[in-house]
Amino acid sequence: DIVMTQTPLSSPVTLGQPASISCRSSQSLVHSDGNTYLSWLQQRPGQPPRLLIYKISNRFSGVPDRFSGNGAGTDFTLKISRVEAEDVGVYYCMQATQFPLTFGGGTKVEIK
Amino acid sequence: EGQLLESGGGLVQPGGSLRLSCAASGFTFSSYTMSWVRQAPGKGLEWVSAITGSDGTTYYADSVKGRCSISRDNSKNTLFLQMNSLRAEDTAVYYCAKKGRIGAAGTNAFDIWGQGTMVTVSS
Repeated sequence: DIVMTQTPLSSPVTLGQPASISCRSSQSLVHSDGNTYLSWLQQRPGQPPRLLIYKISNRFSGVPDRFSGNGAGTDFTLKISRVEAEDVGVYYCMQATQFPLTFGGGTKVEIK
Repeated sequence: EGQLLESGGGLVQPGGSLRLSCAASGFTFSSYTMSWVRQAPGKGLEWVSAITGSDGTTYYADSVKGRCSISRDNSKNTLFLQMNSLRAEDTAVYYCAKKGRIGAAGTNAFDIWGQGTMVTVSS
């Protein structure tokens, strides 16, 4: 199974400041079709997860452009350019390159 | 924009069974791979099972293989998860989720999630 490791576990951020979350996979996420199926999800308190980014860097419909993703192979990053109060929650990376699908352990973003 | 609504959760004794349902609306259900993802209280997300839309091929996490069965009724736009021999460690909120597609290309990302249904396994 592919193990997804996220750091940090928690990220206290000042409003308006940037935040960055790292996700590392135990093996390359490049699929045989050439795509890299790494996505990022946000889970606000008491809510189901919500898709932010798919295939490393593509923002899903309605996601603010302060969210961006990058990376390749086994190392990926989610960046929030300027954290807003509504960004509080837990962020997960997920790989869907091979079954079983696996998630990172989550990074909690909170306001200082 | 589509919606998913789970039902069927509840309190069950260890060794018992439950059947979860997920009603889909707002998209062509039969065209999409669907999954179940669970979240134990205070914990992270764990993928449980998936079923393709086209031919009904199924996939399972090792933690539920042999105890759970995923199925779908495309005529009723409904996804199911039959859970048997339930254990305390199966206690979680169970979400159904739709795998996305942009144009003809799959994104392999879960673009629609339900609100979840709680399963509690306890005596």
